[in-house]
Amino acid sequence: QKEVEQDPGPLSVPEGAIVSLNCTYSNSAFQYFMWYRQYSRKGPELLMYTYSSGNKEDGRFTAQVDKSSKYISLFIRDSQPSDSATYLCAAYTSGTYKYIFGTGTRLKVLA
Amino acid sequence: DGGITQSPKYLFRKEGQNVTLSCEQNLNHDAMYWYRQDPGQGLRLIYYSQIVNDFQKGDIAEGYSVSREKKESFPLTVTSAQKNPTAFYLCASSSPSSTDTQYFGPGTRLTVL
Repeated sequence: QKEVEQDPGPLSVPEGAIVSLNCTYSNSAFQYFMWYRQYSRKGPELLMYTYSSGNKEDGRFTAQVDKSSKYISLFIRDSQPSDSATYLCAAYTSGTYKYIFGTGTRLKVLA
Repeated sequence: DGGITQSPKYLFRKEGQNVTLSCEQNLNHDAMYWYRQDPGQGLRLIYYSQIVNDFQKGDIAEGYSVSREKKESFPLTVTSAQKNPTAFYLCASSSPSSTDTQYFGPGTRLTVL
């Protein structure tokens, strides 16, 4: 079993929809959780990070961590065609220098 | 602008050749990393370095080598011993002073001819 699991998609939604992207993890020692957006042939761009449980909001993006169920979510409101990309979740334990990534979910927002 | 630069963007290598990928950061981050990305496999850690003159093997270090002579620089050499080097290579950096958040460079696409 991988430490971080992510559905590869692809996920297709109409413009303006609310998108929900999810990951599960198995290591309860993870403290930091991150979401990256990666366009084709580009480096991943950090979107959100959260420490421990709870929600964090930034514009149209909301990151949610539920440590009791080991579940990580990213919500995108009012999705745009420019949001079409691969979204990677990642988890990290401080001091280990090991970031564990999901395989990424490919999202396509249709105009 | 602070960030991570990687060069070249595209690299072609003949079988049997060693090639070196460059990574430079001006974020003043202590830790630097090299990942390999293949379709459907996510990011796999090759090497990482916590401080200058120190580095550790990641999950797939065979056929690769690194050096960390300066805080800003972490070059990766793909040797002829790497059996399947065609991939997208990503450099990253992080620092406890920036909540351990990891930032990535734009990547280098290596193709073996």
